[in-house]
This record gives sequence, C-alpha cells and structure tokens, in this order.
Amino acid sequence: QKEVEQNSGPLSVPEGAIASLNCTYSDRGSQSFFWYRQYSGKSPELIMSIYSNGDKEDGRFTAQLNKASQYVSLLIRDSQPSDSATYLCAVKGNQGGKLIFGQGTELSVKP
Amino acid sequence: DAMVIQNPRYQVTQFGKPVTLSCSQTLNHNVMYWYQQKSSQAPKLLFHYYDKDFNNEADTPDNFQSRRPNTSFCFLDIRSPGLGDAAMYLCATSREVAGGGDTQYFGPGTRLTVL
Repeated sequence: QKEVEQNSGPLSVPEGAIASLNCTYSDRGSQSFFWYRQYSGKSPELIMSIYSNGDKEDGRFTAQLNKASQYVSLLIRDSQPSDSATYLCAVKGNQGGKLIFGQGTELSVKP
Repeated sequence: DAMVIQNPRYQVTQFGKPVTLSCSQTLNHNVMYWYQQKSSQAPKLLFHYYDKDFNNEADTPDNFQSRRPNTSFCFLDIRSPGLGDAAMYLCATSREVAGGGDTQYFGPGTRLTVL
C-alpha cells in the first residue's frame, strides 16, 4: 500500500462546478496535511494546510480532514479553467517526519 | 516579492560534467530542502538542512551533495550527472520541521537537461 494515495485522474469538471479531490494515507500518526497545486512545468504552490479534524475554508477552497478514516480532501467551488492543474496531497508524520507526496490528481476544468 | 529563489531556472550540462544549482530564501526559515521531480512523478526528497545540520535521505545517490554556507543560501551539487538525473530540481523552505511551522514553500525550480 502506498503511503499517500490519490486518484491520478484526469478529473474533468465543467466550469462553475465543484471539484472534489481525495487523498488517503497509511500512517495513522500523521499530523500535518497539505494540498499543493502544480501547473505543468512549474513548481508546487501551497493551496491549503490542515492539522485538525474538520473543515478549513479559504476562498473557493475547502480542505476536509478525517483522521479516524485517514482521509483528506480538497473541494474547489465554482471551478475555473485556471484551476486546471495537478493537485498534490502531502502528509507529514509526527516527530518531524518527512513530507510524503501522493502521485497527484490531474484536474481539468472545461469552459 | 520572491521568497524562495532558484538559479538558474534552466541548466543544460553534459554527461559527467559537474553542475551546481543554487537556492536562496528571504524568509529566514530554519529548514531548506532539495527535491528531485521527474515528469508525472511526485517530488522526491533528496536531503534537507535544519540550520547547519545536514540530513540525507537513505536512497539519495552519493552523486548528489549539498552545501548550506549560511541561513539564506543552499546549493545542490551533482558531481557526475547522468542521463537519469535530468529532472526538475525543487528547493523548499520551512520555519520548522514539525508542528504548525512545518509548511514547506517551494521555489520555482531548476529544469536540468543532461546531454
């Protein structure tokens, strides 16, 4: 089992719809969770960090964390073509463990 | 304002010719990381510095070395680049390695081509 798993996609949604990106992780002791957006040929850009169970909202983005289910998700409301990118889920264990990335989900928002 | 800067953005080198990639940061962060990312793959951590303490990943080849002469700068040296080392090299920084300050911020990357 991979340490951090994401559906590779591509996930295609129409403009204005909600895009839902999912991520599961295997280390139950994980404490820090991140979503990065990466455009083709560019570096990862931080979208959201989340540390506690529940929802965290920032503009059109909502991160959801459920530690019992070892599940973290990212919702993008009112999706725009400019949101088309690969979204990387990254998880860090406790005691300063290294950041483990998922393989990324490619999102395509169609006008 | 750029916070994590990488130079050069594009580097072409010849097989076996040493190359050095540079990273600087204006965030005064304690931790600096080097990642390798190949096409359609997740970033792979090579090593990181916490202040002057160097932490190498077990599977990082000896061909890759790093230096951190001061808080702001960190270098990646590839002693004898092979064709398989062609990749995007990403520098990242964080204030701490754990807790609320462990968010990593990436520079724009250096795309390395090996001929």
